[in-house]
Amino acid sequence: SAVISQKPSRDICQRGTSLTIQCQVDSQVTMMFWYRQQPGQSLTLIATANQGSEATYESGFVIDKFPISRPNLTFSTLTVSNMSPEDSSIYLCSVTTTRYNEQFFGPGTRLTVL
Amino acid sequence: AQSVTQLGSHVSVSEGALVLLRCNYSSSVPPYLFWYVQYPNQGLQLLLKYTTGATLVKGINGFEAEFKKSETSFHLTKPSAHMSDAAEYFCAVSDTGTASKLTFGTGTRLQVTL
Repeated sequence: SAVISQKPSRDICQRGTSLTIQCQVDSQVTMMFWYRQQPGQSLTLIATANQGSEATYESGFVIDKFPISRPNLTFSTLTVSNMSPEDSSIYLCSVTTTRYNEQFFGPGTRLTVL
Repeated sequence: AQSVTQLGSHVSVSEGALVLLRCNYSSSVPPYLFWYVQYPNQGLQLLLKYTTGATLVKGINGFEAEFKKSETSFHLTKPSAHMSDAAEYFCAVSDTGTASKLTFGTGTRLQVTL
């Protein structure tokens, strides 16, 4: 399976600041996704991270709030900009590979905004 | 658009008892269906998936699920619960393949008691 690491694992941030979350995979992957899991709720897809081009955002999510980069086949970042307490969530990176016909999830980044 | 409904946000069973977690889906095309498990402070792990073919799918840790098109259901079962099964379980659907973006249900927290 693909091994995924995320940094930071957790953070506490002040309102109005920004946080960049990193997702690193141990092998080349085809697709990379970013999900949000709000407290007590399910996972919601934020966007698909596309290598070398702009991410594809789901309804309700915009690039100004959640800019995403994917410079290569094994790395992506998600920035949560101008944070408010409503952004307190777990943010998960997931990937798919050509070898394994399934989606793998990272351990998540637990974000608390005060 | 696709959607997933999981009946029962919390399910409690005794160790050794049958586990039944319910999932109903809505999809305009033949769906790809998944069950994921999330242990505390960990990422999601794939339990099993349905793509095509046999409607009874066996997964890891003794879990299985049956795809019933007529009932638009994909319920998860395990004949005998173990304490280590206590976790959050998510049903998910994709309409474009096993490696594509997923729509998740709201999750069911399984508690196993002695």
